Amino acid sequence: DAGVTQSPTHLIKTRGQQVTLRCSPKSGHDTVSWYQQALGQGPQFIFQYYEEEERQRGNFPDRFSGHQFPNYSSELNVNALLLGDSALYLCASSQEYEQFFGPGTRLTVL
Amino acid sequence: GENVEQHPSTLSVQEGDSAVIKCTYSDSASNYFPWYKQELGKRPQLIIDIRSNVGEKKDQRIAVTLNKTAKHFSLHITETQPEDSAVYFCAAWGNNFNKFYFGSGTKLNVKP
Repeated sequence: DAGVTQSPTHLIKTRGQQVTLRCSPKSGHDTVSWYQQALGQGPQFIFQYYEEEERQRGNFPDRFSGHQFPNYSSELNVNALLLGDSALYLCASSQEYEQFFGPGTRLTVL
Repeated sequence: GENVEQHPSTLSVQEGDSAVIKCTYSDSASNYFPWYKQELGKRPQLIIDIRSNVGEKKDQRIAVTLNKTAKHFSLHITETQPEDSAVYFCAAWGNNFNKFYFGSGTKLNVKP
């Protein structure tokens, strides 16, 4: 039973570019949440998807958008990248309470 | 919304000693409280959790206690080992807001 997987592992982009990160949830999980974790900080909630719809959203600008597919996998898109978007992006899947994190995608914006 | 505060931000203990990390929350509707361990460069891993209908839960050297009246919960690690060194995050979840709020993390250093 595979856990939560994310791709790519690392990504380097330049300011103004766009990026798409991908996540496959743990088997049996229907809810996917995305978090941004800056160095030395706790995970900050970006948004959550359930039944292919954005159910909750944190304090992130519209440059951050997402999508959930019928198989529950999800994408996070970030447009017009800023230097401050450099962080570890974590995907977490859950079914009711327990939430499990993926390995993350390390995004560096130059 | 919910506000989760975590203390201390750093904790240094000698191998074999106990470590305690505390979190407080603001929303009395929160009903699920997980703890995550994050080693450098790795994903947060769920190590223990507790629901609001339980006051204490134990798993080998790790235990979590919950005081609903005071709105705080604590992680207890006994007989600490160097491999316990990591950053620990607490979180709170409630049916009304349907998402996790994380504490700011505690960096635990266990000295051999």
